[in-house]
Amino acid sequence: DAKTTQPTSMDCAEGRAANLPCNHSTISGNEYVYWYRQIHSQGPQYIIHGLKNNETNEMASLIITEDRKSSTLILPHATLRDTAVYYCIVRVATTSNTGKLIFGQGTTLQVKP
Amino acid sequence: NAGVMQNPRHLVRRRGQEARLRCSPMKGHSHVYWYRQLPEEGLKFMVYLQKENIIDESGMPKERFSAEFPKEGPSILRIQQVVRGDSAAYFCASSPRDSNNEQFFGPGTRLTVL
Repeated sequence: DAKTTQPTSMDCAEGRAANLPCNHSTISGNEYVYWYRQIHSQGPQYIIHGLKNNETNEMASLIITEDRKSSTLILPHATLRDTAVYYCIVRVATTSNTGKLIFGQGTTLQVKP
Repeated sequence: NAGVMQNPRHLVRRRGQEARLRCSPMKGHSHVYWYRQLPEEGLKFMVYLQKENIIDESGMPKERFSAEFPKEGPSILRIQQVVRGDSAAYFCASSPRDSNNEQFFGPGTRLTVL
């Protein structure tokens, strides 16, 4: 699975959009980009995933560049409860994939009032 | 539909004792994953199981650790002869029939070895 690079930490004002970048320059054509987050001491929570098209759900939007070498997770209106560590994970989605997630250090997002 | 359940939430053991951590996946999920998070570190994959089968145990320590997911009942992560370095949060996740689906995590079991 390709390696990802994320900033160690970011701040965001409450009510503003939080834009979390992720670089995955070695991504392969059959690798998806997944985002999870971990709110302090809780189990990780799935947010969104995509292959090459932009994706949106009730939690967030995922913007993937045309060359797929980077992506941005957007939380449109950050709240204090969005303070968490956000993980960008790239993994192959084939029937032979065991499905394990390889977590990096992630980005610690601090939402401030 | 209840989420992934783990118990106990907190477990204290003395060195040399055994620890058993249980995970009940979400209803309808047949894939279970165990991850470990050492203090101040990231999550590390340990093992992936389907009903009655270990599919990938590449992240499991070679000794003292074992996992099972029987036909009936929860998945069990067993740690024999615990040492202080085993103190960590152990998270279980489950996914539906296709291992490429998103994984749903439980609240974790926090193991403390005295």
